Order: sequence, then structure tokens, then C-alpha cells
Amino acid sequence: QKEVEQDPGPLSVPEGAIVSLNCTYSNSAFQYFMWYRQYSRKGPELLMYTYSSGNKEDGRFTAQVDKSSKYISLFIRDSQPSDSATYLCAMSLDLNKFYFGSGTKLNVKP
Amino acid sequence: SAVISQKPSRDICQRGTSLTIQCQVDSQVTMMFWYRQQPGQSLTLIATANQGSEATYESGFVIDKFPISRPNLTFSTLTVSNMSPEDSSIYLCSVVTRQVRNTEAFFGQGTRLTVV
Repeated sequence: QKEVEQDPGPLSVPEGAIVSLNCTYSNSAFQYFMWYRQYSRKGPELLMYTYSSGNKEDGRFTAQVDKSSKYISLFIRDSQPSDSATYLCAMSLDLNKFYFGSGTKLNVKP
Repeated sequence: SAVISQKPSRDICQRGTSLTIQCQVDSQVTMMFWYRQQPGQSLTLIATANQGSEATYESGFVIDKFPISRPNLTFSTLTVSNMSPEDSSIYLCSVVTRQVRNTEAFFGQGTRLTVV
């Protein structure tokens, strides 16, 4: 069983839609949860960072962590074509080693 | 934040040769990490490079195949040795910066390697 599972998509939505991206994980000891965005031919860039359970909001982005279900989500409101990218979830026990999902490819159509 | 310069950005190499990838950070960091990202796959950690000590390799990766240097706190290299087509992948270096309120992992742009 993989440490982190993520639906690879692709996910195609119209501009303005609400996007929901999700990951599940198996290790209940994970404490740090991150979402990265990766544009084609670029390295991943950090979008959201959450410690332990709860929600975190930053502009159009909301990250949710449900440790009881071992499930994390990233919501994108009012999605834009510029949001089209691959989104990777990542988690860590102690920030010394990161476990990544396989990434979900998102396409926002104008 | 940390800015990471990684080069080359891409290369096409012959089977059996070796390629050294360089990673330069604009600030001093204790730990640098090397990842491999195969098409459609998640990032897989190859090794952790600490300054002043040997790199720590993850299961499935060995020093003879992926030798790493870490001569100082801002620079590291990863060599992919005796390459085969199965080594075709994107290789990424990463650093973790720890602030009072936040910790972030930053990535270089990646090196897209094709072995023919």
C-alpha cells in the first residue's frame, strides 16, 4: 500500500468552478500536510501548508485536513485558466522526509 | 524563502554515460534533498545530502549509482551513473527552510533527463 494515494485525474472544469482535490494516506503519524502546484516543465511550488488537523484559507484556496479519516483536501474557488497545473499533496512526520501523492492534473477551461 | 538554481535544465544522454546535476541555493541550508519524478508518478526521494557527512539513501537507491556531493551549505551535486533508458526522468533538488511560524520545502526547476 502506498503511503499517499491521489487520484491522477485529469480533472477538467469550466472557469469559475469550485475544484476539489483530495488525498488519502495510511500513516496516522503524519503531522505536516502540504499542497504543491506544478506547472509543466517547472518544479513544484508550495501552495498551502497545514500542521495537524483543521482548515486553512489563503485567498481562493482552502486546505482541509481530517486526521481521523486520514484525508486531506484542497479547494479552489472561482477557478481560473491559470490554475491549470498538476497539484501534488505531500505529508511528513517531522519535515525531514516528505511523502508525495502522484499528482492530479487540473485543466480549467476558459 | 529560498531560490534554487538547478542545471542543466534538460539533457539527452547516451546509455552507459554519466550526468552530474548541480543545485545551488541562495541561502545556507542544512539539508538538501534529491528527488526523482518519473512520468505520471509521484516524487520519490533518492537521498538526503547533509554538509560534512555522507548522503543518506532511500531504499532502492545506492551511492554507486547516484553519488552525491555536498561541499558546502549552498551547493550539492547528484550524479546519475552508467545511465540506462530506465533512468529517464525528472530529477529535482529540494531544501527545507525552518522559520518560526512556517516551514517550507522549496524545489528547483528540475533536470529533465532522457537516456537514449
